[in-house]
Amino acid sequence: SQKIEQNSEALNIQEGKTATLTCNYTNYSPAYLQWYRQDPGRGPVFLLLIRENEKEKRKERLKVTFDTTLKQSLFHITASQPADSATYLCARPSRNAGNMLTFGGGTRLMVKP
Amino acid sequence: EAQVTQNPRYLITVTGKKLTVTCSQNMNHEYMSWYRQDPGLGLRQIYYSMNVEVTDKGDVPEGYKVSRKEKRNFPLILESPSPNQTSLYFCASSLQGGLYEQYFGPGTRLTVT
Repeated sequence: SQKIEQNSEALNIQEGKTATLTCNYTNYSPAYLQWYRQDPGRGPVFLLLIRENEKEKRKERLKVTFDTTLKQSLFHITASQPADSATYLCARPSRNAGNMLTFGGGTRLMVKP
Repeated sequence: EAQVTQNPRYLITVTGKKLTVTCSQNMNHEYMSWYRQDPGLGLRQIYYSMNVEVTDKGDVPEGYKVSRKEKRNFPLILESPSPNQTSLYFCASSLQGGLYEQYFGPGTRLTVT
């Protein structure tokens, strides 16, 4: 199966700290990974895409890394704020479904003031 | 405003009563897909479409039908809903599949009694 796994336990951190979320995948190595943010009851919103030949990608306070040896992507939020509290999803293209995305279960982040 | 719309947003129905959830996008995207989201199971793809008249099954297609007669619309049809189809449904579109970010609709919360 084409598994993509995220820590299902919520991550609680203090405001101002760096949050680090993990996404692990099995079997084939995807050409890219995407990260999304989802607020309760709402549709996911795209944040970042990182390709396999990019070790790191940044966007404002967000940073994503992609380690094809470890089969892992890390998602960092620096100087976290309570407004960053949400569920974060990673996704990779499905190998046999028209390149559509397969999503991990998401990690819920809670940033406390 | 670029968006994906879904209707209805909330629906309570009874077992066996056919229903349709509409999805429309105004971005001229080729790819559209339907997901369901359940606690502990994450987002799972139901069906996807790479263009008009081109549809294919995702990971959990049983009990669902779709059609893509126009580029902008991708309705999800439940011919005979059952309680195990109670879920939160999302429609999504993207320019040309997985490499491009997906735009999600606001979701349809369906309850089948």
